[in-house]
Amino acid sequence: EIVMTQSPVTLSVSPGERATLSCRASQSISTNLAWYQQTPGQAPRLLIFGASTRAAGIPARFSGSGSGTEFTLTISSLQSEDFAVYYCQYYNNWPPYTFGQGTKVEIK
Amino acid sequence: VQLVESGGLVVQPGGSLRLSCAASGFTFDDYTMHWVRLVPGKGLEWVALINWDGEKTFYADSVKGRFTISRDDKKNSLYLQMNNLRSEDSAFYYCAKDREELVRTGLLDYWGQGTLVTVSS
Repeated sequence: EIVMTQSPVTLSVSPGERATLSCRASQSISTNLAWYQQTPGQAPRLLIFGASTRAAGIPARFSGSGSGTEFTLTISSLQSEDFAVYYCQYYNNWPPYTFGQGTKVEIK
Repeated sequence: VQLVESGGLVVQPGGSLRLSCAASGFTFDDYTMHWVRLVPGKGLEWVALINWDGEKTFYADSVKGRFTISRDDKKNSLYLQMNNLRSEDSAFYYCAKDREELVRTGLLDYWGQGTLVTVSS
């Protein structure tokens, strides 16, 4: 099973600043990497798939990069609605599908 | 697209529960469907999937042999039968839709709001 590890666990950022979140896979997963956002009491929302493609309706301030084992989610200028928990996920046509443990982006 | 889960309850260890997910806004029988759970303080865990045609199912090792995923395409509904429940099964359970039709990708583009299962004596 592929293990996904996110860092940091918590990221304290001021509104308007840039946030950089990391995700590492235990073995190469090419670009089979997605990012999800979850705010308290809400359903998770797909942000990025294929490591760098924004899902429909996702603002341009969200960007993803990486391939192989190292991936990054960047939020260029944090808005109030962006303070949330972010998960990376390995996916392909053969389960199991594994998530990272999450990074909480909180207001500094 | 709308996914609405129901059936979450407080149940004793060893007990059983059946979760349901009512789907609308898309051609349900064209899509692989999933259950994913969120354990507070621990993160998301993929639980199970059922192919669009209902002919293949897959489970996380942690639930294999205890949980059964099924679907009723006439009712646009997804189910999760949970038996021999353990305290570590306590979580919010979400149903989620696979992004691509007629295939299985594991990429989840729509999720429900979740239903809470608590396993406690």
